[in-house]
Amino acid sequence: SQQGEEDPQALSIQEGENATMNCSYKTSINNLQWYRQNSGRGLVHLILIRSNEREKHSGRLRVTLDTSKKSSSLLITASRAADTASYFCAGNQFYFGTGTSLTVIP
Amino acid sequence: EADIYQTPRYLVIGTGKKITLECSQTMGHDKMYWYQQDPGMELHLIHYSYGVNSTEKGDLSSESTVSRIRTEHFPLTLESARPSHTSQYLCASSRTGDQPQHFGDGTRLSIL
Repeated sequence: SQQGEEDPQALSIQEGENATMNCSYKTSINNLQWYRQNSGRGLVHLILIRSNEREKHSGRLRVTLDTSKKSSSLLITASRAADTASYFCAGNQFYFGTGTSLTVIP
Repeated sequence: EADIYQTPRYLVIGTGKKITLECSQTMGHDKMYWYQQDPGMELHLIHYSYGVNSTEKGDLSSESTVSRIRTEHFPLTLESARPSHTSQYLCASSRTGDQPQHFGDGTRLSIL
């Protein structure tokens, strides 16, 4: 990928469990954004974390950023079947990672 | 949810045809983007624009062109479609370069 990689590529969990996805990027960034993509749809923005922030919360989402390691993680707590989607990180505007496909089993 | 619209939603067309994919947004965003995405894969930037009369090439810009005559409209044209162009094309916009992007639902293009 031009910008980075998400890990794992695919994740399958039971409803109610937590899901953690990781993102590594290659260049310095001003901010890092996470997006969700449902099958056959466009991407939807979830959360933005700036380079001077270490952690950010939004509802059931928690994002961390470690600029020294050029990595970020997205935690979804108490997952629901509706969370089933692909999740992408993006740094510096328009370089998206390879995505993590999350399946939440009811 | 979406204030950015792409048409057509699906298109199946023969090789050699000229194709224009439409993208319009009603949010007054200056920045607009076109991406190509194969199923289950990452997004590749094709073209982007910082405003009216501004267009820039992305990593995957060959064989396509864009125009930005009006703020709300950013069409993508393939002059001569080939089977290798079969993919999903996503349009997005943002207020500034650092702000979140709003995506359309894409055009799924199949070239026979």
